[in-house]
Amino acid sequence: TQLLEQSPQFLSIQEGENLTVYCNSSSVFSSLQWYRQEPGEGPVLLVTVVTGGEVKKLKRLTFQFGDARKDSSLHITAAQPGDTGLYLCAGDVDNYGQNFVFGPGTRLSVLP
Amino acid sequence: DAGVIQSPRHEVTEMGQEVTLRCKPISGHDYLFWYRQTMMRGLELLIYFNNNVPIDDSGMPEDRFSAKMPNASFSTLKIQPSEPRDSAVYFCASSLEEEYNEQFFGPGTRLTVL
Repeated sequence: TQLLEQSPQFLSIQEGENLTVYCNSSSVFSSLQWYRQEPGEGPVLLVTVVTGGEVKKLKRLTFQFGDARKDSSLHITAAQPGDTGLYLCAGDVDNYGQNFVFGPGTRLSVLP
Repeated sequence: DAGVIQSPRHEVTEMGQEVTLRCKPISGHDYLFWYRQTMMRGLELLIYFNNNVPIDDSGMPEDRFSAKMPNASFSTLKIQPSEPRDSAVYFCASSLEEEYNEQFFGPGTRLTVL
């Protein structure tokens, strides 16, 4: 069974602060995705990383895939209240890019 | 364009009753997924279809759960009989058949079984 762990589970910070959340597994994934979920809505894809060591940037968000493709991090610079939400990582289960297993998520609250 | 549509948005029922959740995927998408989300277990994949054919139903908790996709634009998830532990938010998602697909999630159905 491929399991993903995410840390921290909860994070509350002030607007303008930087933060990093982590996604770890003992399994190797061919690809990994990050989603953000807002209250009352479904998750929305932020990024897909596929190459070990890959770094992708999405405005103030920086995503990194570990060299061994077992872990990933999401760094947010100068967090804003609009970044509040549940951040989920998801690893490709069958290497076909269709079936993903989700981590438990990091619940981020950015206070104004 | 309309996204994934789910109905109802909220369902409250009593233990033992049959519950049917409905999903309309994005037109042209080849894959449809049913997930369940709870605080304790997070987001769990129940079953997914490719071109209306069930591919993997290993996440379906037990025989009380069943899912169908009679055509490319409609799927149902049925629970019969329902139990309080089935209370959760159920999401439907759809995607295209491409490498590293993006799954588009619906707004979810919040199910409460009393």
